[in-house]
Amino acid sequence: RKEVEQDPGPFNVPEGATVAFNCTYSNSASQSFFWYRQDCRKEPKLLMSVYSSGNEDGRFTAQLNRASQYISLLIRDSKLSDSATYLCVVIGGSNYKLTFGKGTLLTVNP
Amino acid sequence: NAGVTQTPKFRVLKTGQSMTLLCAQDMNHEYMYWYRQDPGMGLRLIHYSVGEGTTAKGEVPDGYNVSRLKKQNFLLGLESAAPSQTSVYFCASSPLKARNTEAFFGQGTRLTVV
Repeated sequence: RKEVEQDPGPFNVPEGATVAFNCTYSNSASQSFFWYRQDCRKEPKLLMSVYSSGNEDGRFTAQLNRASQYISLLIRDSKLSDSATYLCVVIGGSNYKLTFGKGTLLTVNP
Repeated sequence: NAGVTQTPKFRVLKTGQSMTLLCAQDMNHEYMYWYRQDPGMGLRLIHYSVGEGTTAKGEVPDGYNVSRLKKQNFLLGLESAAPSQTSVYFCASSPLKARNTEAFFGQGTRLTVV
């Protein structure tokens, strides 16, 4: 089982749609969780951290379920500018190694 | 504040040539990482460092060597380049015990081995 697995995508949605991405991780000792965004041919950038209690940043909501080892990202009211690849990132164990999922490509259409 | 700077940004190598990619960060971060990104494969960790003078292997270390002689610099070396090493290489850095803190990435190095 891969350390971090994401929905393969791609997702094509119309503007205004709600879209959800899912991610699972294999290391139960993982400590920190993030969603990164990567635009075409650019470096990844932090979108938001993921907390056990769930957290929201505007149109974006992240959830963590430690029992199921599952992370999610919900985007409401999609904008054209949300088109990007979304990467699930997990920091596991004692070495603070960042492990990335393969990413899910989102295209928001007018 | 430059953040994480990678040099060079582009390079074309012939099979068997060697080169060194430089990553420099000015944020006094303890942790530094080298990743490669290939279509359909996501970001894969090559090597990483948890502090000056220390390095460790990641998921795909073969064919690469690294050094962290200074805290701010993390070098990735290819001793004998192969076409399979054609990729986009990203360096990143993060603070010690990066729990719920951000990792910062360089802009990437696009390497083609012919």
